[in-house]
Amino acid sequence: GQQVMQIPQYQHVQEGEDFTTYCNSSTTLSNIQWYKQRPGGHPVFLIQLVKSGEVKKQKRLTFQFGEAKKNSSLHITATQTTDVGTYFCADQTGANNLFFGTGTRLTVIP
Amino acid sequence: DAGITQSPRHKVTETGTPVTLRCHQTENHRYMYWYRQDPGHGLRLIHYSYGVKDTDKGEVSDGYSVSRSKTEDFLLTLESATSSQTSVYFCAIRRGGGTDTQYFGPGTRLTVL
Repeated sequence: GQQVMQIPQYQHVQEGEDFTTYCNSSTTLSNIQWYKQRPGGHPVFLIQLVKSGEVKKQKRLTFQFGEAKKNSSLHITATQTTDVGTYFCADQTGANNLFFGTGTRLTVIP
Repeated sequence: DAGITQSPRHKVTETGTPVTLRCHQTENHRYMYWYRQDPGHGLRLIHYSYGVKDTDKGEVSDGYSVSRSKTEDFLLTLESATSSQTSVYFCAIRRGGGTDTQYFGPGTRLTVL
C-alpha cells in the first residue's frame, strides 16, 4: 500500500537553530500538503505544493517539492518556541482523500 | 476554524460496549472524514462521506461503521469497542473551491478499558 515516510520522527533543537523535516515516498506524489499540530491540538493546514520543483515560503518556513515529485521538505529558519508541534505531510490519493505521513515532532528548547 | 465540533471530547468505556462519536459542521460541506491518530502512525483514514447517505471505507475501517443522515452530522460507531481502538479520533471537512485542504475538529480522546 501507499507509504509516505517522514524523517526524523523526533527532533529537538535549541531555539534559534534551523529545523528540517523530510517527506519521502517510493511512488510519485500527487499534491503535497503540510499540516502542523500543536501539542494537544488538531492538525492545521499550512500549505499545498502541486508542481515539480515548487518552492513556497511562509515567513520563516520554506516548503519544497522534489523535482521527481517523490519527496518534499519543510525547513524552518531560526526556530522559535511557537514552532513546537508535530508536522505532517499528506499526499492526495484518488480524487478526494489525503494520505498522511507519520509526522515529525519538533521540540524547541528555550 | 471551520465550524466543526466533536462530541464527546473525552470518553472512557469498557471492552465490548458500543460507542458513537459525533461530528457536527455548520458550513454545509459535502465531504467529511473520520481519522484516528496513534503514536507512530500519524493520521489514518477510517471512513469518509461525500454526501448524505454516501460513505466509503478508508485505510483502517475494520470495526467501525459510519452514518450520515444529514449534511451537518457524521457519526462514527464502534459496534463493540476493543482496546486496540483506544485512540484520538479526528473529524475533518474538505472545503471546495478546487483545493483538497482539510479542516479538523478538536478531536475525541477515546479510552477502551
